Amino acid sequence: SQQGEEDPQALSIQEGENATMNCSYKTSINNLQWYRQNSGRGLVHLILIRSNEREKHSGRLRVTLDTSKKSSSLLITASRAADTASYFCATDPISGGGADGLTFGKGTHLIIQP
Amino acid sequence: DAGVIQSPRHEVTEMGQEVTLRCKPISGHDYLFWYRQTMMRGLELLIYFNNNVPIDDSGMPEDRFSAKMPNASFSTLKIQPSEPRDSAVYFCASSLQQGGNEQFFGPGTRLTVL
Repeated sequence: SQQGEEDPQALSIQEGENATMNCSYKTSINNLQWYRQNSGRGLVHLILIRSNEREKHSGRLRVTLDTSKKSSSLLITASRAADTASYFCATDPISGGGADGLTFGKGTHLIIQP
Repeated sequence: DAGVIQSPRHEVTEMGQEVTLRCKPISGHDYLFWYRQTMMRGLELLIYFNNNVPIDDSGMPEDRFSAKMPNASFSTLKIQPSEPRDSAVYFCASSLQQGGNEQFFGPGTRLTVL
């Protein structure tokens, strides 16, 4: 089945720096979503970008989508210690049924060093 | 709203025992999803329901797994008999309308099968 693949698997940066994570996927999609998971918790939705959008912003988050390359990036600006978490991309594939569940990647583990 | 509620939060059982995980979705959400998360395989969709009806159970690993949704406010995931390889964190999520929308995750049930 289609699966988003995040890159890198792990990222460690200093507080205040920007963090960039990438996601690649295999088939056409309706939308792509990014989620955050803090240790021992459930996933929390961050942002959704539709297939006809190229860029979207939400606070310190910036997401881009390149459907020709089947890739997306998540940029977190001015990182904070509280941003330490795993970040997942999830794709909503185009299919005949129209109501498939999301397919998640394995995530990027981000560590913000104080 | 209290969000998606799962119980128990932790479950330790012995191989061969029956395990039942419970989920209460957010009121008004039409879709309910069960996921399993492990280090090796990441987050896997097991089954999802639309208006209490199972739509896609192709992710259920084998016949030992079963899921029900007797009404709009309650779902169960049952493993019988349980095996050590079933050890994982099991998440329930719900969403409005189409499955490609934002999903709201519960805190998860950490299952350990000895």
